[in-house]
Amino acid sequence: DTAVSQTPKYLVTQMGNDKSIKCEQNLGHDTMYWYKQDSKKFLKIMFSYNNKELIINETVPNRFSPKSPDKAHLNLHINSLELGDSAVYFCASSQDAQGYEQYFGPGTRLTVT
Amino acid sequence: AQSVTQLDSQVPVFEEAPVELRCNYSSSVSVYLFWYVQYPNQGLQLLLKYLSGSTLVKGINGFEAEFNKSQTSFHLRKPSVHISDTAEYFCAVSDPSSYKLIFGSGTRLLVRP
Repeated sequence: DTAVSQTPKYLVTQMGNDKSIKCEQNLGHDTMYWYKQDSKKFLKIMFSYNNKELIINETVPNRFSPKSPDKAHLNLHINSLELGDSAVYFCASSQDAQGYEQYFGPGTRLTVT
Repeated sequence: AQSVTQLDSQVPVFEEAPVELRCNYSSSVSVYLFWYVQYPNQGLQLLLKYLSGSTLVKGINGFEAEFNKSQTSFHLRKPSVHISDTAEYFCAVSDPSSYKLIFGSGTRLLVRP
């Protein structure tokens, strides 16, 4: 019974394409996040939603657009994919916006060719 | 702004030996501190956290960490490691003003038989 799940686990696509990654949590948490982990394992917050409201919006290209249809879901849509977008994207959730204990999904490895 | 420095990118150690993974942070305000573990091809999992109270914090899998305010450190220790502890370990600090988790660059713990 996975707490935070992401689909797909692997995503290989060509430059210029548009793709989406989906995330769902069944923990009843109010807050969800998207992180990007680069090839050197550096992990950086991209977005955060609390009760479907965007509360963290880091400096990422406009090609990245998160959407939260409800508290349990947070999707990430990426337009016009570039080589530099290749990374592992992690979804996470926490009970509230303070985010002191975050639960991470298994990650989506995106490879742009 | 907060920042986290993990001084060692990789720490090799023999099985059953003790280990210490170092973490230093910089902040002008009180912080909350965390250690997360990432096993190969998995998401991050919280090992332990310091919010307040005792400076010695015990976590899962026999790990513990000590908060040292004067040295701005939060080093992770385990008295006897197992092969299964081989993973990437991330120190993180919470920015209370923005609710963001700021991660260090990670330390790869490699346990050898």
